[in-house]
Amino acid sequence: QKEVEQNSGPLSVPEGAIASLNCTYSDRGSQSFFWYRQYSGKSPELIMSIYSNGDKEDGRFTAQLNKASQYVSLLIRDSQPSDSATYLCAVNIGGSNYKLTFGKGTLLTVNP
Amino acid sequence: NAGVMQNPRHLVRRRGQEARLRCSPMKGHSHVYWYRQLPEEGLKFMVYLQKENIIDESGMPKERFSAEFPKEGPSILRIQQVVRGDSAAYFCASSQGLAGGNEQFFGPGTRLTVL
Repeated sequence: QKEVEQNSGPLSVPEGAIASLNCTYSDRGSQSFFWYRQYSGKSPELIMSIYSNGDKEDGRFTAQLNKASQYVSLLIRDSQPSDSATYLCAVNIGGSNYKLTFGKGTLLTVNP
Repeated sequence: NAGVMQNPRHLVRRRGQEARLRCSPMKGHSHVYWYRQLPEEGLKFMVYLQKENIIDESGMPKERFSAEFPKEGPSILRIQQVVRGDSAAYFCASSQGLAGGNEQFFGPGTRLTVL
């Protein structure tokens, strides 16, 4: 089993819709979870961090964490074409509180 | 600009040459991380440094790669005798510390091409 898994996509949604991005991880002891956005040819940009079970909202973004199911998700409300990018899930794996293990990312396309 | 700075942004080397990549962390950050992103692959952790200390280099190839973060100046990732397989984007990230979650912020990256 891969340490951090994401659907590669592409995920295509119409403008104004909710985009739902999912991530599962293998290490039950993981404590820190992050979502990054990466535009083509650019560097990862931190969008959200979440450490406790439940939801965390920041503007149009909501991160959801379920440690029992080893599952973290990112919801993007009112999706805009400018949200079109690859979304990377990152998790602290293996007891390390600094080493991020990244999924391969989900490519999101928001169609006008 | 208070963000993470990396230079050069693009670097072309011939096989066998040396590549030196530099990273200045965000203001107020003392923790530096290097990641490598190969085409069609995810970001992979390479090394974690604090000033004058390598904390974890478990992701570094055993040969040809080294990293440092001196007391003064930027962090340096050094690749000796580059090979074509070293062609990748190398990203530096920095964080304030480990307490409170350790959010890491990335620089623009150095894109290394080995001819």
